[in-house]
Amino acid sequence: QSVLTQPPSVSGAPGQRVTISCTGSSSNIGAGYDVHWYQQLPGTAPKLLIYGNINRPSGVPDRFSGSKSGTSASLAITGLQAEDEADYYCQSYDSSLSDVIFGGGTKLTVL
Amino acid sequence: QVHLVQSGAEVKIPGASVKVSCKASGYTFSGYYMHWVRQAPGQGLEWMGRINPNSGGTNSAQKFQGRVTMTRDTSITTAYMELTSLRSDDTAVYYCARGSDYDDTGWFDPWGQGTLVTVSS
Repeated sequence: QSVLTQPPSVSGAPGQRVTISCTGSSSNIGAGYDVHWYQQLPGTAPKLLIYGNINRPSGVPDRFSGSKSGTSASLAITGLQAEDEADYYCQSYDSSLSDVIFGGGTKLTVL
Repeated sequence: QVHLVQSGAEVKIPGASVKVSCKASGYTFSGYYMHWVRQAPGQGLEWMGRINPNSGGTNSAQKFQGRVTMTRDTSITTAYMELTSLRSDDTAVYYCARGSDYDDTGWFDPWGQGTLVTVSS
C-alpha cells in the first residue's frame, strides 16, 4: 500500500480535461513537503512533469498544471491528446518514515 | 546536456547479489544527490535510497536497510547500487535518478534508462 493514494485509472476524450489526485497525510503533504509529478510512457523511464507543486520544467506543455492544498495535491491535464496516454506518479517526502514516497500511480487512457 | 547511462540487464539466482552502475555526464557529479528507484513488473515506483556523491554519505529506505549498498567513484562520475540476498520479488527495473540538490524532499531529473534485474533459479 502506497503512503500517497492515487486513483488507479482515469480517462478522457481528446480535448477534454482530467485531474489526478494524490492524497497524503499530516506527515507528508500536510506537513508542507513539496509534491512532484512524473509521466511514464510505456516502456520508458519516468520523466519529470511538475516540480515544487506547481512548476513546469522547460519543454513541458502548459496543458499540464499542478496544485496542492492541505493533505492533497492534484495534476490537471487540459486539451487531452493521444500522446498523453501514460502512467502518472506523484512523489513527496514523509517525516515519520524519513523516506521519499511515491503514489501508486494512475493510468491515463485517452478514449 | 545532463545524462545518466546505466549498466545492462542482469540475471541472478536467488541469494546472489547484483551491482548496477549509473554513469553521469553533463553536470557537476558531486553537486547533487543520486537516488535509486525500482519498479517491479506492472507495479509502481519504489524509492530505495540515495547517495551524496560529495561525501559518500547514504540514506536508504527502511525496507532495504542491511541489503542495499550505494557507492560512487567520483573519478569516473559513476554511482553504484548493490543489492544482496536477492529474492524473486526483487525482479524489477532499477533506475538511478539525479536529485534536485542536497535535499531528500526534492525532485528527480533526469532518470537513467533503467536496468532490468531478473532473479530466477
